[in-house]
Amino acid sequence: DARVTQTPRDKVTEMGQEVTMRCQPILGHNTVFWYRQTMMQGLELLAYFRNRAPLDDSGMPKDRFSAEMPDATLATLKIQPSEPRDSAVYFCASGLDLPGGGTGELFFGEGSRLTVL
Amino acid sequence: QKEVEQDPGPLSVPEGAIVSLNCTYSNSAFQYFMWYRQYSRKGPELLMYTYSSGNKEDGRFTAQVDKSSKYISLFIRDSQPSDSATYLCAMSFLSGGYNKLIFGAGTRLAVHP
Repeated sequence: DARVTQTPRDKVTEMGQEVTMRCQPILGHNTVFWYRQTMMQGLELLAYFRNRAPLDDSGMPKDRFSAEMPDATLATLKIQPSEPRDSAVYFCASGLDLPGGGTGELFFGEGSRLTVL
Repeated sequence: QKEVEQDPGPLSVPEGAIVSLNCTYSNSAFQYFMWYRQYSRKGPELLMYTYSSGNKEDGRFTAQVDKSSKYISLFIRDSQPSDSATYLCAMSFLSGGYNKLIFGAGTRLAVHP
């Protein structure tokens, strides 16, 4: 049963600490998205990768957030230093490019719930 | 003003009721319209996907798109307690070579027996 795997499921940390979230996309998918979900803002796109190359990270606070894909089986989202306003659920999603252009259905992981005290 | 507006609810209905969920949008460039369902502590999963104006039916679910009014709807017939979840509308258009997917805030639905 192919699925997107995210770790950790839950993370509680102190303000100023570094946080790294990991995602294993579905094997064979060539697009990876990072979203952040809060009650106030809903789902916000943070970053997008195609074939491991970052194509759009305009939704990400550049000074403290960074996203990478060291290889096709791993995507990471790092926050350094973390702040209380970063508390949210972070979702990774993967998908496949459509033959006619664009991205098909996105498959989401179960999310990483981050609490920054 | 957000690009996609969705009433967050919550919406509470009795089992067997017809549920109507709606979103409005402002960007006429949107080409693809989706509904995702999200259970508590889970990631969203795709429920319905439409490209053009009109209706699309899948079992108890019907998705409706009215591009002239910039309005989309999801109808659930014979609602079940298992339909209790948050329903997110999502829309996309090609930007920089990919479908930039914008989500609504989500409507929380509770179907009680």
